[in-house]
Amino acid sequence: ELKVEQNPLFLSMQEGKNYTIYCNYSTTSDRLYWYRQDPGKSLESLFVLLSNGAVKQEGRLMASLDTKARLSTLHITAAVHDLSATYFCAVDSNYQLIWGAGTKLIIKP
Amino acid sequence: SAVISQKPSRDICQRGTSLTIQCQVDSQVTMMFWYRQQPGQSLTLIATANQGSEATYESGFVIDKFPISRPNLTFSTLTVSNMSPEDSSIYLCSVDQPGGYTFGSGTRLTVV
Repeated sequence: ELKVEQNPLFLSMQEGKNYTIYCNYSTTSDRLYWYRQDPGKSLESLFVLLSNGAVKQEGRLMASLDTKARLSTLHITAAVHDLSATYFCAVDSNYQLIWGAGTKLIIKP
Repeated sequence: SAVISQKPSRDICQRGTSLTIQCQVDSQVTMMFWYRQQPGQSLTLIATANQGSEATYESGFVIDKFPISRPNLTFSTLTVSNMSPEDSSIYLCSVDQPGGYTFGSGTRLTVV
């Protein structure tokens, strides 16, 4: 059974700091996704990672994938308040997305 | 990427009644997915809907409780039947796109 473990589940940090969210999964997969969800809203796609060593960056967010370690990271650089949200990773397994539990990120001004 | 219009955005329903949620996609897609997100939780796949065939339900979800229609390649409905307070959740539809899965805006359902 494919499992996706995300940590931490909750993160409170100050603006300007750096931090990393980790996503471990239990079996091989072709695609890994990162999504953002604001309270009461739907999910916004951030990154799709397709191959080992893939690195993608958008603004202050950078995602990477290590398929050998079955690990993806979402790194936040110099956090700003607007990045406060819940972040989910999800792994594609035969056209089914298996979701991590989510990381609730609060960035304090 | 595809744009999904999901209706209603929210509703408050009496227990024992049913609610039908609609998703309209602006392009033809083979598979549509229906998810439930309970308060403060991650997403759980309810079923996968292909046009012209019965939906495939995940463990813990049954057709009598969550009937799904998929009359064409751009539209699908999910009905939450005989609702109880435990059905209070956000329900989301989704389609697979080259750039990743795209989600509808969600339906926030409260059962009282």
